[in-house]
Amino acid sequence: ETGVTQTPRHLVMGMTNKKSLKCEQHLGHNAMYWYKQSAKKPLELMFVYSLEERVENNSVPSRFSPECPNSSHLFLHLHTLQPEDSALYLCASSQDWGRKAETQYFGPGTRLLVL
Amino acid sequence: GQNIDQPTEMTATEGAIVQINCTYQTSGFNGLFWYQQHAGEAPTFLSYNVLDGLEEKGRFSSFLSRSKGYSYLLLKELQMKDSASYLCAVRDLRAAGNKLTFGGGTRVLVKP
Repeated sequence: ETGVTQTPRHLVMGMTNKKSLKCEQHLGHNAMYWYKQSAKKPLELMFVYSLEERVENNSVPSRFSPECPNSSHLFLHLHTLQPEDSALYLCASSQDWGRKAETQYFGPGTRLLVL
Repeated sequence: GQNIDQPTEMTATEGAIVQINCTYQTSGFNGLFWYQQHAGEAPTFLSYNVLDGLEEKGRFSSFLSRSKGYSYLLLKELQMKDSASYLCAVRDLRAAGNKLTFGGGTRVLVKP
């Protein structure tokens, strides 16, 4: 148990569906991250929020839309996804987003399958 | 940009030692992390190195040589539960904030 929870753990959706992934951290951290983990590929950073402000957007297609209503919650809204978007989506948090290297704590991920 | 290389897979016997190497190229090194990830679970933090040398934590140790762009994770007295993927991640001083770049991970299989 890392203090970061994600729901749902598994999701199957069609290409025309709209769904949302939820992440919650109970660590009092100020920075939250979305990563994509595909088979046989390194973890890819998608978005970073620091104090509820988006500070990093790694050339992610607009069919992925993040939302950070407060420092404890992070959402990833999904719409009109493609089969190649099927992957494990991991949320992480760290104390801060700054010059100092901070340990990131990960949630268990949402396994997404797009049909 | 950054390039991080680690072996894809390693197999070892219970009770033995395994060393997982990680090499990296970065324009401004500012720390290296090792994470463990069991199948279907969250990556969990193992170690952090920013200065040269060996950091020991129980059965696990991590070594860093900044001049060689090289780190290894050493797992001693292997147990079956150590079967997992081990991720190397590097922070670049010139990258924004706390951005990490991850290697592809090394899957370690421990056999009885």
